[in-house]
Amino acid sequence: EVQLLESGGGLVQPGGSLRLSCAASGFTFNNYAMSWVRQAPGKGLEWVSAIGGSGGRIYYADSVKGRFTISRDNSKNTLYLQMNSLRAEDTAVYYCANATGAYFNYWGQGTLVTVSS
Amino acid sequence: EIVLTQSPATLSLSPGERATLSCRASQSVSSYLAWYQQKPGQAPRLLVYDASNRATDIPARFSGSGSGTDFTLTISSLEPEDFAVYYCQQRSNWPLTFGGGTKVEIK
Repeated sequence: EVQLLESGGGLVQPGGSLRLSCAASGFTFNNYAMSWVRQAPGKGLEWVSAIGGSGGRIYYADSVKGRFTISRDNSKNTLYLQMNSLRAEDTAVYYCANATGAYFNYWGQGTLVTVSS
Repeated sequence: EIVLTQSPATLSLSPGERATLSCRASQSVSSYLAWYQQKPGQAPRLLVYDASNRATDIPARFSGSGSGTDFTLTISSLEPEDFAVYYCQQRSNWPLTFGGGTKVEIK
């Protein structure tokens, strides 16, 4: 059974940093691209970033480029999102998702990031 | 960036009725479009990919069609568990983008 478990969310002040993690199990992690997708409270879905199975191809949404860094540790079956210079508009539930052909087959339960003073 | 526009924003229907949801792209995405269902407090679930292929374990009452810029998700006969929000998503170009969603609510 595929499982994706996000952690690392919480309350952070504007300008602060946070690192999200996503522990994966139930599939061969390094065979799959992974993504982060977020959802602001009461709003729709927004794709944030993607990384290829080997970590060689990385993409970002313009809204986070230069502030967020996606990475993965295939030896630990874990995906990361380092978020710096956080803004109020980054407040959202952050989901990690397993991607096949850039479609999201499996999703974690999400972790809430709140940026507020 | 490819913008996906979903309509209507809200669809009020009764169980057993047919639901027709639309997704229009600002430029051609070929057939590289997916549909997701999201219920309150849950993560989204992939329903359809490449415009018309049902994902694993998705009931046959869900069907997708279209290509280029105009796409449709049809639910042939609404079951109580189908009342939810539906999103389309394109993978034709980076950045990946989602539509704003259609809420299917009980009339």
